[in-house]
Amino acid sequence: DGGITQSPKYLFRKEGQNVTLSCEQNLNHDAMYWYRQDPGQGLRLIYYSQIVNDFQKGDIAEGYSVSREKKESFPLTVTSAQKNPTAFYLCASTLIKSLGYGYTFGSGTRLTVV
Amino acid sequence: GEDVEQSLFLSVREGDSSVINCTYTDSSSTYLYWYKQEPGAGLQLLTYIFSNMDMKQDQRLTVLLNKKDKHLSLRIADTQTGDSAIYFCAETSSNTGFQKLVFGTGTRLLVSP
Repeated sequence: DGGITQSPKYLFRKEGQNVTLSCEQNLNHDAMYWYRQDPGQGLRLIYYSQIVNDFQKGDIAEGYSVSREKKESFPLTVTSAQKNPTAFYLCASTLIKSLGYGYTFGSGTRLTVV
Repeated sequence: GEDVEQSLFLSVREGDSSVINCTYTDSSSTYLYWYKQEPGAGLQLLTYIFSNMDMKQDQRLTVLLNKKDKHLSLRIADTQTGDSAIYFCAETSSNTGFQKLVFGTGTRLLVSP
């Protein structure tokens, strides 16, 4: 079955550490997105990518980095520069030419700073 | 810029109808969506409506679009406890030259027996 897989489901980070969240899709989707979700604030866009080896900053990119070396994969690194990283992170993908079908979301990664 | 607003909370009794409302600002939106999020999970697409439509019905779900007022609503008939979740409204936005979805803050629906 096609889908989008995020791992791990739970992640704990120590102060000053970088951590990487994985996002893999086998839907042959062009575009991929990373969102951050905090209670009462909805979804905020961190980074997005339309094609391999290209990506753009979203609304809250500071303290995060991404790569898009393969169409299927769009990992997100939360760096030590992100001062308040505790949140629920969601990855999504879509076919650019079929935006009417919306995004397909992964099941999320909950990151906690310890 | 684009903005999507929703009320934060709605409480209904099982068997009643639920109506979740959303207002948006981008008049160039082509599609509008409703997503459902259950606790600890990702978002699941419930339904969408094209901007040249006024209404769309899909089983227990009815979407109404008032393009003049930029108002979107989702009606859930015969609401069940399993409908308890957060519901997000989203619009497409092409202001940046690249179509992306802009999400509202989400409405938490609580269905009591």
